[in-house]
Amino acid sequence: GAVVSQHPSWVICKSGTSVKIECRSLDFQATTMFWYRQFPKQSLMLMATSNEGSKATYEQGVEKDKFLINHASLTLSTLTVTSAHPEDSSFYICSANRQDGYTFGSGTRLTVV
Amino acid sequence: DAKTTQPTSMDCAEGRAANLPCNHSTISGNEYVYWYRQIHSQGPQYIIHGLKNNETNEMASLIITEDRKSSTLILPHATLRDTAVYYCIVGGSGGSNYKLTFGKGTLLTVNP
Repeated sequence: GAVVSQHPSWVICKSGTSVKIECRSLDFQATTMFWYRQFPKQSLMLMATSNEGSKATYEQGVEKDKFLINHASLTLSTLTVTSAHPEDSSFYICSANRQDGYTFGSGTRLTVV
Repeated sequence: DAKTTQPTSMDCAEGRAANLPCNHSTISGNEYVYWYRQIHSQGPQYIIHGLKNNETNEMASLIITEDRKSSTLILPHATLRDTAVYYCIVGGSGGSNYKLTFGKGTLLTVNP
Protein backbone atom coordinates (compact mmCIF):
# COMPACT_ATOMS: atom_id res chain seq x y z
CA GLY A 1 0.00 0.00 0.00
CA ALA A 2 0.85 3.66 -0.10
CA VAL A 3 3.64 4.65 2.24
CA VAL A 4 4.38 8.00 3.77
CA SER A 5 7.79 8.23 5.40
CA GLN A 6 8.37 10.76 8.13
CA HIS A 7 11.76 11.78 9.47
CA PRO A 8 13.04 12.08 12.12
CA SER A 9 10.96 9.88 14.37
CA TRP A 10 12.05 11.87 17.38
CA VAL A 11 14.10 14.98 18.03
CA ILE A 12 15.22 16.94 21.06
CA CYS A 13 16.19 20.54 20.56
CA LYS A 14 17.08 23.54 22.64
CA SER A 15 14.64 26.35 23.13
CA GLY A 16 15.06 29.02 20.46
CA THR A 17 16.36 26.72 17.75
CA SER A 18 14.54 25.53 14.64
CA VAL A 19 13.65 21.98 13.74
CA LYS A 20 12.74 20.58 10.32
CA ILE A 21 10.51 17.55 9.88
CA GLU A 22 10.31 15.78 6.52
CA CYS A 23 7.38 13.91 5.06
CA ARG A 24 7.92 11.86 1.90
CA SER A 25 5.49 9.91 -0.20
CA LEU A 26 7.51 6.88 -1.23
CA ASP A 27 5.47 5.25 -3.97
CA PHE A 28 3.09 7.94 -5.16
CA GLN A 29 2.93 11.63 -5.93
CA ALA A 30 1.16 13.79 -3.39
CA THR A 31 0.02 17.21 -4.55
CA THR A 32 -1.52 17.74 -1.12
CA MET A 33 -0.22 16.75 2.28
CA PHE A 34 -1.61 17.47 5.70
CA TRP A 35 0.21 18.26 8.93
CA TYR A 36 -1.22 17.40 12.32
CA ARG A 37 -0.16 17.95 15.90
CA GLN A 38 -1.10 15.75 18.82
CA PHE A 39 -0.63 16.55 22.49
CA PRO A 40 -0.62 13.79 25.12
CA LYS A 41 -3.97 12.10 25.63
CA GLN A 42 -5.55 14.26 22.94
CA SER A 43 -6.68 13.68 19.39
CA LEU A 44 -4.91 14.81 16.25
CA MET A 45 -5.40 18.47 15.39
CA LEU A 46 -4.98 19.60 11.82
CA MET A 47 -2.41 22.37 11.55
CA ALA A 48 -2.17 23.02 7.84
CA THR A 49 -2.66 21.74 4.34
CA SER A 50 0.49 21.65 2.27
CA ASN A 51 0.06 22.23 -1.46
CA GLU A 52 2.77 21.38 -3.98
CA GLY A 53 4.10 24.49 -5.63
CA SER A 54 1.99 26.93 -3.67
CA LYS A 55 1.53 28.33 -0.20
CA ALA A 56 0.23 26.17 2.59
CA THR A 57 -3.20 26.75 4.06
CA TYR A 58 -3.15 27.08 7.84
CA GLU A 59 -5.93 26.28 10.25
CA GLN A 60 -7.25 28.99 12.49
CA GLY A 61 -4.95 29.68 15.40
CA VAL A 62 -1.85 28.16 13.83
CA GLU A 63 0.99 30.65 13.38
CA LYS A 64 2.23 30.41 9.82
CA ASP A 65 5.46 32.25 10.63
CA LYS A 66 6.25 29.77 13.34
CA PHE A 67 5.34 26.60 11.48
CA LEU A 68 6.87 26.97 8.03
CA ILE A 69 5.68 24.50 5.45
CA ASN A 70 7.41 23.85 2.15
CA HIS A 71 6.06 21.47 -0.48
CA ALA A 72 8.56 21.92 -3.27
CA SER A 73 8.07 18.57 -4.96
CA LEU A 74 5.35 16.01 -5.44
CA THR A 75 6.99 13.65 -2.97
CA LEU A 76 8.28 15.91 -0.21
CA SER A 77 6.73 18.29 2.28
CA THR A 78 8.63 19.78 5.17
CA LEU A 79 7.47 21.38 8.40
CA THR A 80 9.92 23.68 10.15
CA VAL A 81 9.20 24.68 13.71
CA THR A 82 11.00 27.98 14.08
CA SER A 83 12.29 29.36 17.36
CA ALA A 84 10.92 26.36 19.18
CA HIS A 85 9.76 26.66 22.77
CA PRO A 86 8.81 24.01 25.30
CA GLU A 87 5.11 24.49 24.53
CA ASP A 88 5.83 23.33 20.96
CA SER A 89 6.76 19.92 22.30
CA SER A 90 4.30 17.56 20.69
CA PHE A 91 3.80 14.67 18.30
CA TYR A 92 3.72 15.89 14.70
CA ILE A 93 2.18 13.69 12.00
CA CYS A 94 1.89 14.14 8.26
CA SER A 95 -0.64 12.60 5.92
CA ALA A 96 -1.37 12.35 2.23
CA ASN A 97 -4.43 11.28 0.31
CA ARG A 98 -3.72 8.81 -2.45
CA GLN A 99 -6.31 7.37 -4.80
CA ASP A 100 -7.11 4.59 -2.37
CA GLY A 101 -7.39 6.85 0.64
CA TYR A 102 -5.47 8.73 3.30
CA THR A 103 -2.20 7.41 4.65
CA PHE A 104 -0.23 8.73 7.61
CA GLY A 105 3.40 8.97 8.54
CA SER A 106 4.71 7.36 11.69
CA GLY A 107 5.01 10.71 13.43
CA THR A 108 7.78 12.84 14.92
CA ARG A 109 8.10 13.31 18.65
CA LEU A 110 9.50 16.81 19.26
CA THR A 111 10.81 17.70 22.69
CA VAL A 112 12.02 21.24 23.27
CA VAL A 113 14.20 21.71 26.33
CA ASP B 1 -15.42 20.40 14.82
CA ALA B 2 -15.42 16.69 14.21
CA LYS B 3 -18.35 15.44 12.21
CA THR B 4 -18.56 12.18 14.10
CA THR B 5 -19.37 11.05 17.63
CA GLN B 6 -18.07 7.88 19.22
CA PRO B 7 -18.16 6.36 22.69
CA THR B 8 -15.14 7.31 24.73
CA SER B 9 -14.16 3.77 25.57
CA MET B 10 -15.15 0.15 25.10
CA ASP B 11 -13.96 -3.20 26.36
CA CYS B 12 -13.88 -6.48 24.53
CA ALA B 13 -12.82 -9.98 25.43
CA GLU B 14 -9.99 -11.52 23.44
CA GLY B 15 -11.30 -13.70 20.63
CA ARG B 16 -14.71 -12.06 20.59
CA ALA B 17 -16.00 -9.62 18.02
CA ALA B 18 -15.54 -5.94 18.77
CA ASN B 19 -18.30 -3.69 17.46
CA LEU B 20 -17.44 0.00 17.48
CA PRO B 21 -20.27 2.42 16.70
CA CYS B 22 -20.04 5.85 15.15
CA ASN B 23 -22.61 8.53 14.47
CA HIS B 24 -22.18 10.85 11.50
CA SER B 25 -25.65 12.29 11.10
CA THR B 26 -24.51 15.32 9.09
CA ILE B 27 -22.58 13.39 6.47
CA SER B 28 -23.14 14.62 2.95
CA GLY B 29 -23.68 12.52 -0.15
CA ASN B 30 -20.12 12.57 -1.44
CA GLU B 31 -18.38 12.06 1.90
CA TYR B 32 -16.83 8.75 2.86
CA VAL B 33 -16.60 7.12 6.27
CA TYR B 34 -13.03 6.22 7.22
CA TRP B 35 -11.78 4.23 10.17
CA TYR B 36 -8.28 4.48 11.56
CA ARG B 37 -6.66 3.29 14.72
CA GLN B 38 -3.74 4.64 16.66
CA ILE B 39 -1.49 2.81 19.02
CA HIS B 40 0.43 4.98 21.45
CA SER B 41 3.12 7.14 19.86
CA GLN B 42 2.47 5.89 16.34
CA GLY B 43 0.78 7.41 13.33
CA PRO B 44 -2.81 6.42 12.59
CA GLN B 45 -3.20 3.12 10.78
CA TYR B 46 -5.80 2.77 8.05
CA ILE B 47 -8.43 0.13 8.66
CA ILE B 48 -11.25 0.51 6.17
CA HIS B 49 -13.47 3.04 4.46
CA GLY B 50 -16.75 3.12 2.60
CA LEU B 51 -19.30 5.35 0.95
CA LYS B 52 -22.63 3.59 1.35
CA ASN B 53 -22.13 -0.10 0.84
CA ASN B 54 -20.86 -2.41 3.53
CA GLU B 55 -17.17 -3.18 3.16
CA THR B 56 -14.90 -5.97 4.34
CA ASN B 57 -11.18 -6.47 4.21
CA GLU B 58 -8.62 -8.59 5.99
CA MET B 59 -8.75 -6.41 9.07
CA ALA B 60 -12.39 -5.55 9.61
CA SER B 61 -15.89 -5.06 8.33
CA LEU B 62 -17.69 -1.75 7.99
CA ILE B 63 -21.45 -1.64 8.23
CA ILE B 64 -23.07 1.63 7.11
CA THR B 65 -26.73 2.23 7.76
CA GLU B 66 -28.99 2.85 4.80
CA ASP B 67 -29.44 6.53 5.71
CA ARG B 68 -25.64 6.77 6.16
CA LYS B 69 -26.05 8.54 9.49
CA SER B 70 -24.16 5.92 11.43
CA SER B 71 -21.78 3.05 10.98
CA THR B 72 -20.20 0.19 12.89
CA LEU B 73 -16.69 -1.13 12.64
CA ILE B 74 -16.44 -4.82 13.36
CA LEU B 75 -13.23 -6.56 14.34
CA PRO B 76 -14.33 -10.19 14.03
CA HIS B 77 -11.86 -11.79 16.42
CA ALA B 78 -10.23 -9.19 18.64
CA THR B 79 -6.71 -9.79 19.90
CA LEU B 80 -4.69 -8.00 22.55
CA ARG B 81 -2.84 -6.17 19.77
CA ASP B 82 -6.10 -4.57 18.71
CA THR B 83 -6.06 -2.44 21.85
CA ALA B 84 -5.89 1.11 20.46
CA VAL B 85 -7.80 4.32 19.93
CA TYR B 86 -10.17 3.92 17.00
CA TYR B 87 -11.17 6.98 15.00
CA CYS B 88 -14.22 7.22 12.79
CA ILE B 89 -13.79 10.12 10.36
CA VAL B 90 -15.73 11.62 7.50
CA GLY B 91 -13.53 12.36 4.51
CA GLY B 92 -13.34 12.93 0.81
CA SER B 93 -12.68 10.55 -2.00
CA GLY B 94 -9.23 9.18 -2.72
CA GLY B 95 -6.82 11.75 -4.07
CA SER B 96 -8.87 14.73 -2.99
CA ASN B 97 -7.62 17.58 -0.82
CA TYR B 98 -10.48 17.13 1.62
CA LYS B 99 -9.22 17.67 5.16
CA LEU B 100 -9.76 14.97 7.76
CA THR B 101 -10.92 16.25 11.14
CA PHE B 102 -10.35 13.85 14.00
CA GLY B 103 -12.70 13.50 16.92
CA LYS B 104 -11.69 11.98 20.22
CA GLY B 105 -12.12 8.41 19.08
CA THR B 106 -12.90 5.27 21.06
CA LEU B 107 -10.32 3.63 23.25
CA LEU B 108 -10.83 -0.08 22.71
CA THR B 109 -9.31 -2.28 25.34
CA VAL B 110 -9.12 -5.97 24.54
CA ASN B 111 -8.92 -8.03 27.70
CA PRO B 112 -7.41 -11.51 28.01
